[in-house]
Amino acid sequence: QKEVEQNSGPLSVPEGAIASLNCTYSDRGSQSFFWYRQYSGKSPELIMSIYSNGDKEDGRFTAQLNKASQYVSLLIRDSQPSDSATYLCAVNLPSNYQLIWGAGTKLIIKP
Amino acid sequence: GAVVSQHPSWVICKSGTSVKIECRSLDFQATTMFWYRQFPKQSLMLMATSNEGSKATYEQGVEKDKFLINHASLTLSTLTVTSAHPEDSSFYICSARSDHGYTFGSGTRLTVV
Repeated sequence: QKEVEQNSGPLSVPEGAIASLNCTYSDRGSQSFFWYRQYSGKSPELIMSIYSNGDKEDGRFTAQLNKASQYVSLLIRDSQPSDSATYLCAVNLPSNYQLIWGAGTKLIIKP
Repeated sequence: GAVVSQHPSWVICKSGTSVKIECRSLDFQATTMFWYRQFPKQSLMLMATSNEGSKATYEQGVEKDKFLINHASLTLSTLTVTSAHPEDSSFYICSARSDHGYTFGSGTRLTVV
């Protein structure tokens, strides 16, 4: 069974610090990797997508992918209280375009 | 950017009635639509995948006669919860796949009383 694993948290980070969120996946054939942010009662919104090994930066966010270790992470620099949310890792199954979702990590940024 | 309009955003219905949820892609063609259900403090659970003009593919454990999905056009997909019961109360989310990636609707909070 295809799986995506995340630590459910909560992960508590002081305002201004770096928040590090991690995700592992089981299917070596996975090609696309996504980080979504979900506020309570809202639908997920895309933060980052990454497709090749290495780092991808977008503003305060950096996604890191290591296909050999089947590991993808999201770093949030200069964390703000508004970053407090649940972060969902999703991995694409190329065979049918489905996304396999992790359980999500609840992030709390403390002022 | 790509936008998926989902309606209604919330609905309360009586047990035994049916509820229809619509997802419309506003500025792109959604060849594939995914329907999810999310219970409190849980991740998204895929219910079914629909492709325009063909029957939906349901995930194991999802009753296709209870959750009717119609994807009659490239811009509209609907989910009808038939004979709703309190255990169907949940947050339902659609997601369209396109060249822009995966675009989510804003979700529908269904409460069955």
